[in-house]
Amino acid sequence: NAGVMQNPRHLVRRRGQEARLRCSPMKGHSHVYWYRQLPEEGLKFMVYLQKENIIDESGMPKERFSAEFPKEGPSILRIQQVVRGDSAAYFCASSPPVRGEQYFGPGTRLTVT
Amino acid sequence: TQLLEQSPQFLSIQEGENLTVYCNSSSVFSSLQWYRQEPGEGPVLLVTVVTGGEVKKLKRLTFQFGDARKDSSLHITAAQPGDTGLYLCAGGSGGSNYKLTFGKGTLLTVNP
Repeated sequence: NAGVMQNPRHLVRRRGQEARLRCSPMKGHSHVYWYRQLPEEGLKFMVYLQKENIIDESGMPKERFSAEFPKEGPSILRIQQVVRGDSAAYFCASSPPVRGEQYFGPGTRLTVT
Repeated sequence: TQLLEQSPQFLSIQEGENLTVYCNSSSVFSSLQWYRQEPGEGPVLLVTVVTGGEVKKLKRLTFQFGDARKDSSLHITAAQPGDTGLYLCAGGSGGSNYKLTFGKGTLLTVNP
C-alpha cells in the first residue's frame, strides 16, 4: 500500500516565480492536510481539505498562498510570487475518514533564491 | 495559542541505555500523537493516545498521556542506534482533532 506521495522532493525557485507542490494521499484517504516546517521551528498547520472543499485554511498566509484538492488528481499547494521567507519544507498528510490519524509524505523542500 | 514544549531538545546516549523524553503544554488536547522524523523525510506516526492516564507500549517504546491530557512522555528501553531520530509530539484540537500542534522535537542520537 503506497504511502503519501509528494512531488517534487526538491524545488528551487527565483524570487517572484510560482511554486506548485503536489500531494497524492494514501489509497482510501479522503482528507489532506498541509504543514510547513521552517528552519529551527516545528511543523505548522496550514490548511485542511477534502475533495473539492477547503475545510480549514486558518494557517495559510493571507496572500500568495492557495490550496486545492480537486475531484480527480492530487492536492496542489500553490505559492505565487515566492519570496526568500517561503523557503521551507512543506509536508502533506492524509487521513482516513474514520480514525483521523494523519500519515505524512516525505515533503517538498522549497528553496527560493 | 496552544504550545507544546519538548524536552530535552537534544539527547545523546550510548546503545543499551534507557531514556525518557517529555512533551508538556498548558493546554488540554483531545489526543496526542508521537512521530519520529529522520533527516530529509516526513514524520512517521508511532502512536496516538487519547485517554488521560493512558499508557501504550510499542516494543521497547512506552508512551504515557498525562491524567489532565496536557502532557506526555516517551520512554525507550535499551536504546539502539536505529532509534536515532527527531521525536515529535503533536496535539490534536478542533472538532475532529485534525489541526495538529507540533512541538519542536527532541533530537535523539544513540551511539553504538
